[in-house]
Amino acid sequence: GAGVSQSPRYKVAKRGQDVALRCDPISGHVSLFWYQQALGQGPEFLTYFQNEAQLDKSGLPSDRFFAERPEGSVSTLKIQRTQQEDSAVYLCASSLSVRQETQYFGPGTRLLVL
Amino acid sequence: SQQGEEDPQALSIQEGENATMNCSYKTSINNLQWYRQNSGRGLVHLILIRSNEREKHSGRLRVTLDTSKKSSSLLITASRAADTASYFCATGPKTGGFKTIFGAGTRLFVKA
Repeated sequence: GAGVSQSPRYKVAKRGQDVALRCDPISGHVSLFWYQQALGQGPEFLTYFQNEAQLDKSGLPSDRFFAERPEGSVSTLKIQRTQQEDSAVYLCASSLSVRQETQYFGPGTRLLVL
Repeated sequence: SQQGEEDPQALSIQEGENATMNCSYKTSINNLQWYRQNSGRGLVHLILIRSNEREKHSGRLRVTLDTSKKSSSLLITASRAADTASYFCATGPKTGGFKTIFGAGTRLFVKA
């Protein structure tokens, strides 16, 4: 079956612009994670959804970051008033069960803020 | 800030040699996972070891877990050029929250 997909794959934004990043998880997967990965670093947890409920948003770096998964499938990560430090790869992952099991990652969206 | 620490940060070996990577973590965990990431791509799950397990094998991969030392190791035997990638360990908390913590990774280069 299809894996996790993300769009766009690349996004260039001017500082101050709003961006929206989309994640299509594997069908039927309950859990969905968003991560931010800086160059040469490991992924940093941003937020977690169980179906449509956002149960952990402890990793969101500021109130400019907002995520939603309204119908428990597709998720959108929105960054308002982008800053240069937001430049990174944003990874989405889904897993079948409730928590802490194998995560299947999408290819990521590479965001560059100029 | 990331909880996991991995060493070495980078490793360069010849094809056919074994590669060992280590990971340390700070809190009690349910399980520990290892992932691989090829340059510019998403992460691929390699192996999961639960907190009540001490060793696990999958093909050329061998993972150990020492919960008393809060550490794990990943051994890749008979390495191939295609194993060239970054390798990350990841842990989730035993209680409270859903935050998966990744280490900074070990960059493995296997020379043909």
